[in-house]
Amino acid sequence: QVQLVESGGGVVQPGRSLRLSCVASGFIFSSYGMHWVRQAPGKGLEWVAVIWYDGNTEYYADSVKGRFTISRDNSQNTLYLQMNSLRAEDTAVYYCAREGTASTILYYFDSWGQGTQVTVSS
Amino acid sequence: DIQMTQSPSSLSASVGDRVTITCRASQAISTSLNWYQQKPGKAPKLLIYVASILQSGVPSRFRGSGSATDFTLTISSLQPEDFATYYCQQSYTSPLTFGGGTKVDIK
Repeated sequence: QVQLVESGGGVVQPGRSLRLSCVASGFIFSSYGMHWVRQAPGKGLEWVAVIWYDGNTEYYADSVKGRFTISRDNSQNTLYLQMNSLRAEDTAVYYCAREGTASTILYYFDSWGQGTQVTVSS
Repeated sequence: DIQMTQSPSSLSASVGDRVTITCRASQAISTSLNWYQQKPGKAPKLLIYVASILQSGVPSRFRGSGSATDFTLTISSLQPEDFATYYCQQSYTSPLTFGGGTKVDIK
């Protein structure tokens, strides 16, 4: 069965960096686009970024553009989110999510990890 | 960016009730609309994609409908496990955006 396991969250000071990882199993990772979605405490869902299955295309939410970078290592079945210049408003649970359809991008999420908490605070 | 507006933001209902949640897009998005269910402390779960296609394993009491700017999620007979928060999400264009959520709780 599809499994997505995030790690790398924690408490970090404003302006610092953090890298999240998401290890995938149970499917052909290199065939699926992957997303990061976040949820601030007590708030709704916010899409953060997407990367195509081949890693050649990325898109970002305006709120993270220029600060966050999504990447993937298909040989290691792992998705990453490099977060630089972190702000208090980046505090959230970060979920990795699988694109709903293989070999294309239809921009919906059919499987989710359990999430990793990122807290930005001095 | 496309704004997604859900209504109501919360509702109280009883087991067996028919529940309807609406989602309106700020511009036409064809049928590029998806619905998720989220329970406290858990990741969201895909219920409906492309406005009306039931995700595998989701009970048939969940139904999605609509196109262009107006969409509906209907639960035909609310079950105890359906008490949760529901989100719509447009998949028409980046940046992808979600509605604010509808919390369904027990009356």
